Formats: sequence, structure tokens, C-alpha cells
Amino acid sequence: GAGVSQSPSNKVTEKGKDVELRCDPISGHTALYWYRQSLGQGLEFLIYFQGNSAPDKSGLPSDRFSAERTGGSVSTLTIQRTQQEDSAVYLCASSLAGRGSGTDTQYFGPGTRLTVL
Amino acid sequence: DAKTTQPTSMDCAEGRAANLPCNHSTISGNEYVYWYRQIHSQGPQYIIHGLKNNETNEMASLIITEDRKSSTLILPHATLRDTAVYYCIVRVSKAAGNKLTFGGGTRVLVKP
Repeated sequence: GAGVSQSPSNKVTEKGKDVELRCDPISGHTALYWYRQSLGQGLEFLIYFQGNSAPDKSGLPSDRFSAERTGGSVSTLTIQRTQQEDSAVYLCASSLAGRGSGTDTQYFGPGTRLTVL
Repeated sequence: DAKTTQPTSMDCAEGRAANLPCNHSTISGNEYVYWYRQIHSQGPQYIIHGLKNNETNEMASLIITEDRKSSTLILPHATLRDTAVYYCIVRVSKAAGNKLTFGGGTRVLVKP
């Protein structure tokens, strides 16, 4: 079946511009996560959505970062006034956690590589 | 989540089995052993997970010791496309909102 998809695959922007990154989770998955991975580094958690519950925003590094999930499916991560330190691969993952006997096995998308010049 | 220890790197021959060890001596009773891998420039890929019984799927087998303090991921017939960093993680599986954290992992190089 279809996996997690993300768009765009690559995004180059100028410092100070806003960017939007999109994630389409696996159909039926109720949990959605955003992470970022800087070059050669591990995963950094950003935000988590579960069904209709309030999202866990504890990983967002600043108020320039925000995310929404419409209709319990597609999610958009927005970075305002981008800075060079925002350059990273932004990864989205989804899981069945919270749905029936679903587990929190997270399946990742291919990521969006963001470069801020 | 419990801490894991993996070798930094290992080489294996194409077509042979690759056995990747992981130590997790502080694992709790409700924590699962998960394996992911990350091929260069790609998103992490889920491989397999288990609680205490050995598990097998189309990608790999997972052998967990009886005391659950260590485990081994087995790629039965390694191919060049299996070259990646492999991450062993222990975490609660059922709980939603449990963020994944990757340690250093094992960098596996499959050689012809």
C-alpha cells in the first residue's frame, strides 16, 4: 500500500522567507509526527498529532515553527522567517497508535530537504 | 526509553547473513525492541520489532535473549542495497506520542 509521502522533496529558500512542508500519512493512521534531522545528526522531535487531541508541540524550537493537521489526515509544517540554522531534512512519520489495537510503530516518509541560503 | 549499545560499524559480504547485535540491559518489562535503518539520504525505514519472542518478517529476523538484555537482528542474505545505518531502539510500543530517538546505530557496509 501507499506509504507516507512528503512534498516537496527539496526546498531551497532565502533567509527570511516562509516555507510550507506537506505530509500525507498512511491512510487510517491516527498519529502523525514531525521530526528533523540535521546533517549527520539523530532525529529531533518537533510535534505530534493524535486524532482530535491537542497536539504535543513540545519539540518546536521556536515560535517561527507551527504545524496543523486538517481533517485528521494531511499535515503542514510552516516555518516563518527562515534562518540558516533551519536547514535540515524534515521527516514525517505516522502510526496506528490510539486506533483499536494499533501500535506506535512509526513509518517514515522520504523527507523534505530544506536549504536556507 | 532504555539505552542501547551497538557496534559503531561492521562489514559483511554480499549474499551472506548479517548479524547485528544490540545490548539493552536496562530494558523494562513493557518495552519492545525496535529496529530501523536509514539508507543514505532517505527517511528511516522500519524493519522489525519484538517483545520477548523471536520475530521474522520479509526483511529480517529478530532474536531476543531469554533475559531480554540483548538482541540480534539478522539479515539472512545481505545485498548491496542493505548498506545503511541500523538503529536498535527500546521503547513502549502501545503508547502514542512516544517520540523516537536514534542513538549512534551501526553503520553496515555490504561488500561484493
